[in-house]
Amino acid sequence: EAGVAQSPRYKIIEKRQSVAFWCNPISGHATLYWYQQILGQGPKLLIQFQNNGVVDDSQLPKDRFSAERLKGVDSTLKIQPAKLEDSAVYLCASSLAGGRSEKLFFGSGTQLSVL
Amino acid sequence: TQLLEQSPQFLSIQEGENLTVYCNSSSVFSSLQWYRQEPGEGPVLLVTVVTGGEVKKLKRLTFQFGDARKDSSLHITAAQPGDTGLYLCAGAETGGFKTIFGAGTRLFVKA
Repeated sequence: EAGVAQSPRYKIIEKRQSVAFWCNPISGHATLYWYQQILGQGPKLLIQFQNNGVVDDSQLPKDRFSAERLKGVDSTLKIQPAKLEDSAVYLCASSLAGGRSEKLFFGSGTQLSVL
Repeated sequence: TQLLEQSPQFLSIQEGENLTVYCNSSSVFSSLQWYRQEPGEGPVLLVTVVTGGEVKKLKRLTFQFGDARKDSSLHITAAQPGDTGLYLCAGAETGGFKTIFGAGTRLFVKA
């Protein structure tokens, strides 16, 4: 079974530039998550989609971050403009139905460095 | 906001030693999960514990969920270099569907 695909693996940008990340979840998984993992910390949920609707985006900095999941399959996460503190690994995950205690399948992440 | 605290933050041991890492909270969680993350990869689920007092074993790994469902532990017997990684606990929020992660315990097992 193919896993969660993310691209690019690495991205280096200067502050105030924009950047976009792409995620393709496991086929048939209704729920898609974007997590931010800063070095030395655990993953922090940015946004959770159920099909193409947003379930939770309470920790998404909406003044600079945006995400969409058109057609309920793949998703993009955008940062515009980027700040130094956005340097982190951005992990995409998916699960079958989004229920409590459900197994999350993670991609390998995109490592973002903002200079 | 429910928080999960993990200890120790870092652990370096010799191959063959036993170890226990902890995941604690002042809040009740409906379930707790343990994930392992290797450098450059996403976390991979090891186990989910749901019932207070539950104990699950996965080869040399033993997971326990506290009776009050506020804490959990992971015990590794006879650690091997392949056990090296970041061990994350994650809890399902009560009254919601958000999964919250702790900061993790970084384990290094020397051959």
